[in-house]
Amino acid sequence: DAGVIQSPRHEVTEMGQEVTLRCKPISGHNSLFWYRQTMMRGLELLIYFNNNVPIDDSGMPEDRFSAKMPNASFSTLKIQPSEPRDSAVYFCASSFYGGRGYGYTFGSGTRLTVV
Amino acid sequence: AQTVTQSQPEMSVQEAETVTLSCTYDTSESDYYLFWYKQPPSRQMILVIRQEAYKQQNATENRFSVNFQKAAKSFSLKISDSQLGDAAMYFCAYRSARNMRFGAGTRLTVKP
Repeated sequence: DAGVIQSPRHEVTEMGQEVTLRCKPISGHNSLFWYRQTMMRGLELLIYFNNNVPIDDSGMPEDRFSAKMPNASFSTLKIQPSEPRDSAVYFCASSFYGGRGYGYTFGSGTRLTVV
Repeated sequence: AQTVTQSQPEMSVQEAETVTLSCTYDTSESDYYLFWYKQPPSRQMILVIRQEAYKQQNATENRFSVNFQKAAKSFSLKISDSQLGDAAMYFCAYRSARNMRFGAGTRLTVKP
C-alpha cells in the first residue's frame, strides 16, 4: 500500500482565495482524520469521519472550513475564503474504526501558506 | 476530556547515549492505548511504539522502550544507543475510542 496520500505537498495562495486539500486514505481503513499543526497550537484535530460519515467537527475553527468524504477513498478539506492565520501544515490520517490498538497512519502533510 | 502533557520542550543527547522523554496524561477511562510518534524534519509522522493500558509489560521496539506507569498516568520513552537519525520531534499520544490526542512534543537533538 502506498500509505496515506495527500496533495498538494505545498500550497501558496493569496488571502481570500479558496483552498482545497486532498487526501486518499489507506485502502481498508474506515476512519479518517484531519489535523492542523502550528507552532503555537501543536497538533489539533479538526474533524474525523467514520465510514465516510463526519462524526465530530468541533475542531473546525470557523465556517470557512469544510470537509467532505464522498467515498471511502477520498476526502477534501476546503478553506474559503483563506486567511493568513490559516497558514499551517495540514495532515490527513487514517485508521481502523474501533481498533484502538492501531495507531493512525499519517500522510506527508500539506504546508499551506496564505499571503 | 483527555489531556496529554509533555513537560520537556527540548532535550539533547550525545550519540550512543540513552535519553528518556517524559509524558503524562489525564483520563478517566480504563481501556486505551498510548503511542509515541516521531516527526523528523521531513515532517512525516512515524509511529515509534505503542502500549496497551491493560498490559503491564512495557513495550519494546529495538532501541526504543517505554516505562508505563498506569497508576501515575505516566508514559515515558527511552531511546538507547542514540543515533543521529533519532533527531526529531517526538509526540506522545493517547487514543480513546473516539480519537487521538497529542502532546505538544519534545524536540530531541543528537550531538555527534
